[in-house]
Amino acid sequence: DAKTTQPPSMDCAEGRAANLPCNHSTISGNEYVYWYRQIHSQGPQYIIHGLKNNETNEMASLIITEDRKSSTLILPHATLRDTAVYYCIVRVPGSARQLTFGSGTQLTVLP
Amino acid sequence: DAGVIQSPRHEVTEMGQEVTLRCKPISGHDYLFWYRQTMMRGLELLIYFNNNVPIDDSGMPEDRFSAKMPNASFSTLKIQPSEPRDSAVYFCASSFGGRGGQETQYFGPGTRLLVL
Repeated sequence: DAKTTQPPSMDCAEGRAANLPCNHSTISGNEYVYWYRQIHSQGPQYIIHGLKNNETNEMASLIITEDRKSSTLILPHATLRDTAVYYCIVRVPGSARQLTFGSGTQLTVLP
Repeated sequence: DAGVIQSPRHEVTEMGQEVTLRCKPISGHDYLFWYRQTMMRGLELLIYFNNNVPIDDSGMPEDRFSAKMPNASFSTLKIQPSEPRDSAVYFCASSFGGRGGQETQYFGPGTRLLVL
C-alpha cells in the first residue's frame, strides 16, 4: 500500500466545514483512497472511499486531485461528535486484507 | 442492520484464566477480521477468515491465542491462559469481498480486556 502523510492535528469550529488533507504521492493506478475515523473508545468507522472521481455520501465528501497524489476529506458542517482521529489509507481492494492505520489526524471540533 | 456485534464489551480477568471474545459479523459479509489495539502498537491484525475459513493467522501472537468461525454468523477469539500483556481492546470487523468488490471493513465496538 502507498504511504500517506497527514497533519497530526487540526481544529475546526462547530458548524464550519472541516477539510482534512492527505498526501499520497506514490499512489498507483489501481489503489483506492479510503477514509476511516476513530472516536475515542470506539471502533474505527468507515467514512468514504474513491478511486479518482470525487465522491459524496451522507457523512462526507472526498476530493481527489487530478494527479491523484493528494486528497481532501470534507465534513461539511462539523459537530462536536466529529471529534476523532481521521485516517487516510491507500490500498488496492483485495490485495492485502489488513487495514494499516498510520498516525492519522486528530480533529478537534471546538464549540 | 445492527452492524458488527461484539461481546462482552468489557472483560476483567485474572492472569491464567481463559478468555473468550465473541463476534457476530454483518449479515452477508464473507470476510471477518480480528484486530487488537494498544497504545504502544496501535491496531494490529490478528487473523482473518473468508467464508468461515482462516486465511491468515500470522498476526496471532502465540499458541495461547486461537480463533474459530463455526458458521457465517459467529466467531470467537480465545486466549488461554491469559496474561497481563494481553490487555488491549479487541476489535472484530467484517466486509464483503464479492467478485471484484471494493471491500470496506466495518468494525464492531470492541471488547476492552484487562488481565490482572
